[in-house]
Amino acid sequence: EVQLVESGGGLVQPGGSLTLSCAASGFTLTIYDLTWVRQAPGKGLEWVSSIGNPGTTVADSVKGRFTISKDSSKNTLYLQMNSLRAEDTALYYCTKSSGKWNFDLWGRGTLVTVSS
Amino acid sequence: EIVMTQSPATLSVSPGERATLSCRASQSVSSNLAWYQQKPGQAPRLLIYGASTRATGLPARFSGSGSGTEFTLTISSLQSEDFAVYYCQQYNNWPLTFGGGTKVEIK
Repeated sequence: EVQLVESGGGLVQPGGSLTLSCAASGFTLTIYDLTWVRQAPGKGLEWVSSIGNPGTTVADSVKGRFTISKDSSKNTLYLQMNSLRAEDTALYYCTKSSGKWNFDLWGRGTLVTVSS
Repeated sequence: EIVMTQSPATLSVSPGERATLSCRASQSVSSNLAWYQQKPGQAPRLLIYGASTRATGLPARFSGSGSGTEFTLTISSLQSEDFAVYYCQQYNNWPLTFGGGTKVEIK
């Protein structure tokens, strides 16, 4: 079965760091364009960061704090998150795109809670 | 940044009826527009891309139309499994942006 599985979420204090991972099964993740999308509790969807063609891009709201990367040998996507704020609290989804930047496969998400 | 505005915020429809959801872009996105469905406790699911192309396996009762700044998602005859939140997303320009969503609820 083709699927994405996120991990690495949890409770972290403001100013802390966390690294999210996204592993693929059933296909080679890293040949596709990949994106992290988040959803704050009870809210809508927000694009966070993408990697692919052309290179990497990141939302202004997380610029300088979040870094997207991928490891082809592990078939895994990452999101390094530093200097976390309360407003970063959300369910973080890993997604893949095929050709253009719409998201044809989503993981189930991993929850990040930033609170003291 | 392109702002995506969806209307209405909530749509109350009886099963079997037609639902029409709107999405407006603050500037032209050509046909680079996708629609997603999200049910409670689940990840979003791609329904439509390229404004009007149905994703693999999507029932024909779902259709998308529009280009430029005005887009529509139509569900011709609502089934029980269609009650959900629907989001549009533009991928014509960075940053990628989503609409605020339309909740389709049972009337």
